[in-house]
Amino acid sequence: AQTVTQSQPEMSVQEAETVTLSCTYDTSESDYYLFWYKQPPSRQMILVIRQEAYKQQNATENRFSVNFQKAAKSFSLKISDSQLGDAAMYFCAYRSANQGAQKLVFGQGTRLTINP
Amino acid sequence: DSGVTQTPKHLITATGQRVTLRCSPRSGDLSVYWYQQSLDQGLQFLIQYYNGEERAKGNILERFSAQQFPDLHSELNLSSLELGDSALYFCASSSSGSGQPQHFGDGTRLSIL
Repeated sequence: AQTVTQSQPEMSVQEAETVTLSCTYDTSESDYYLFWYKQPPSRQMILVIRQEAYKQQNATENRFSVNFQKAAKSFSLKISDSQLGDAAMYFCAYRSANQGAQKLVFGQGTRLTINP
Repeated sequence: DSGVTQTPKHLITATGQRVTLRCSPRSGDLSVYWYQQSLDQGLQFLIQYYNGEERAKGNILERFSAQQFPDLHSELNLSSLELGDSALYFCASSSSGSGQPQHFGDGTRLSIL
């Protein structure tokens, strides 16, 4: 079974600076998808970014980018120019490319605090 | 707004009772997923439906059941409720096609007294 590990329960960063959240995963599959979701205090689960394992190019979405290292099974999220609205729980998630196994497997989450 | 609608937002009930959580997926999405978020277990997958059929099952208790109706809305039924069932229950939906992201509703907060 696949597992996802986020080793940083909490992180903090000064507003306007850059922060990197770590995520590692374990799988024997070669084709899969990885996601970062954000959960602000409102409890919504908001998709931040998505990466396809067969694509070597790292995904980017505005101030959010990932560093995907397939061999190391590492998938970190970099947030540039941090804003107060970025404060939230961030969850890394794995999803198999197998059509019969489309569930998301989540890490434990990292709570990100933005200091003004 | 994700386009996924969950009702009710909050539910307070007592042990031993039964509740039904409702989810309307995004327009056009055939897949519906249910997840449970609790402090001790984190985010756990419960069950997936695709176009009315059960597609995958996770760590769903036998006291829990779900279904997806012809109009694609889904219901999660929780019975013989225990204190440990208190959690945030999310519904998510996705369109067909490999790797399509799941879009989450705002969740139903279930509190068992």
